[in-house]
Amino acid sequence: AQKVTQAQTEISVVEKEDVTLDCVYETRDTTYYLFWYKQPPSGELVFLIRRNSFDEQNEISGRYSWNFQKSTSSFNFTITASQVVDSAVYFCALTLNRDDKIIFGKGTRLHILP
Amino acid sequence: DAGVIQSPRHEVTEMGQEVTLRCKPISGHDYLFWYRQTMMRGLELLIYFNNNVPIDDSGMPEDRFSAKMPNASFSTLKIQPSEPRDSAVYFCASSLVGYQPQHFGDGTRLSIL
Repeated sequence: AQKVTQAQTEISVVEKEDVTLDCVYETRDTTYYLFWYKQPPSGELVFLIRRNSFDEQNEISGRYSWNFQKSTSSFNFTITASQVVDSAVYFCALTLNRDDKIIFGKGTRLHILP
Repeated sequence: DAGVIQSPRHEVTEMGQEVTLRCKPISGHDYLFWYRQTMMRGLELLIYFNNNVPIDDSGMPEDRFSAKMPNASFSTLKIQPSEPRDSAVYFCASSLVGYQPQHFGDGTRLSIL
């Protein structure tokens, strides 16, 4: 069975600190896709990134970076020099190539304190 | 390009009333998903469609819930009769194909009194 675990329920950091959100996934399939979504206080769900299982290159987008490691089944998300606007719930998710459904983790609520 | 459009944004109604939530997916997207989000249960997939055909409705909580997709640009989620435990945020999302990113609407915040 497939599963996504975000062990950190809630994290608080002071603005400008770096913060890493952990995501561990489980699947026996060799072809799969991993996602991160952001849900700010306004409530909408915003797609951030998709990674396929054959691409282990790290991704950087501005202050955001993602570290995909198949050896540890992890797809961690780091925010560098955090800002108050980064405060949100962040969801990690998994889908299989042979499936249409996305399996979401429970989310990590991130508070960036001014 | 317009995103996924949901209406209404907020709905407050009394227990026992019929509730209809609406969704317009992104044009050209073949998949449409309905989710429910609560504090207790997180984000739950209720049902999804491929090319207007319901593929998996195993997440629909009970017979009081029904969903339709009469054409590629419109879907409804109906609750009849509504109960207070149905209070939640309901999201609609669409994607090109199953493993592509899903794009979410702004959600409908439903309160059943």
